[in-house]
This record gives sequence, structure tokens and C-alpha cells, in this order.
Amino acid sequence: QKEVEQNSGPLSVPEGAIASLNCTYSDRVSQSFFWYRQYSGKSPELIMSIYSNGDKEDGRFTAQLNKASQYVSLLIRDSQPSDSATYLCAVNGGSNTGKLIFGQGTTLQVKP
Amino acid sequence: EAGVTQFPSHSVIEKGQTVTLRCDPISGHDNLYWYRRVMGKEIKFLLHFVKESKQDESGMPNNRFLAERTGGTYSTLKVQPAELEDSGVYFCASSQAPAGGAEFFGPGTRLTVL
Repeated sequence: QKEVEQNSGPLSVPEGAIASLNCTYSDRVSQSFFWYRQYSGKSPELIMSIYSNGDKEDGRFTAQLNKASQYVSLLIRDSQPSDSATYLCAVNGGSNTGKLIFGQGTTLQVKP
Repeated sequence: EAGVTQFPSHSVIEKGQTVTLRCDPISGHDNLYWYRRVMGKEIKFLLHFVKESKQDESGMPNNRFLAERTGGTYSTLKVQPAELEDSGVYFCASSQAPAGGAEFFGPGTRLTVL
């Protein structure tokens, strides 16, 4: 079992729709969770971090965390073609460690 | 403010040769990370520096890889001798707080070993 699992996609949504990206993780001691966006041929860009159960909103992005179910998700409202990218889920294990464990990423395609 | 920079952007070497990758983190960031992505796989952690000290090097694949961070500023990652399976994209990242993970990634160095 992979430590961080994501559906590789592609996930295709029409412009203006809500895109829902999901991630599960295996290590129950994980405390910090991150979503990165990576455009083709570019480096990952941190877009959201979440540390507590519940929702965290930032603009069109909402991260949701459920530690009991070991599940973290990213919702993108009013999806735009410019949101088309690979979205990477990353989990930080334990305390005071900077090591991140990444999933393989979900490719999102937003169609005009 | 300059972001994380890496040099070179691409490197093509023969098996058995040596390659040194360089990373300059964002000024003032004590935490520096190296990650690697090989074709078709997820990004994998290599190691974490806090200033000039290695905080966690659990991801270094073997002793052919040597990372240093002189004076707590820039970092180098040397692969000697390079093997075919070392091909991939090597990312450097930096952050102010360690538990915040890798806040800012560099553009990466694409290494091809022939």
C-alpha cells in the first residue's frame, strides 16, 4: 500500500464547475497536509496547507481534512482552464520533521 | 525577492561520471530540502538541512549521493559515480519553518544518465 494515494486521473470538468480532488494517507501520526499544483514541466507550487480536521478556505480553493478517515481533499470552485495542472497531495509525518511524502498526483483538465 | 534557484537546469552525463547539482534557497530560509522525481513515480524525499546540519537524510538512496550545505547557505548534491537509475528531476526546496514542509520549490535539475 502506498503511503499517499491519489487517483491519477485525468479528472475532466467543464469551466465553471467544482473540481474535487481526493487523497488518502496511511500513517495515522501525520499532522500536516499540503496541496501543490504543478504545471507541465514546472516545479510544484504550494497552494494550500491544512493541519486540523474540517475545512480551510482560500479564495476558490477549499481543503478538507478528516484524520479519522485518513482523507484529505481539495475543492476548486469556478474551475478555470488555467487550473488545468497536476495536483499533488503531500503529507508531513510526525512533529518537527520537514519530510514530505507525496502522492503521484491527479491531473485536472478544465475544458472551456 | 528571488526564489529558489538551481543549477544546472539540465545535465546529461555518462554512467560512471560525476555530477554536482547546486541549490540556492530563498535568503533567510534555514530549512533546505532535496527531492527527486524519477519517470512515472512520485516525488521522493532525499534529505533535509537545517542551516548547515543534516536534519534527516533518510531518503538518500545510497552512498553514491553526497549532500553538503556550506555555511548554511547554498547546497550541493553530488552523485558519484552516476548510474542509469539516477536519472530524473532533482528538486530543491526551502522554507522558514520545518513543520511547514517545503514551501518553495526550485525549478529542478533534469539529470539524464546514459
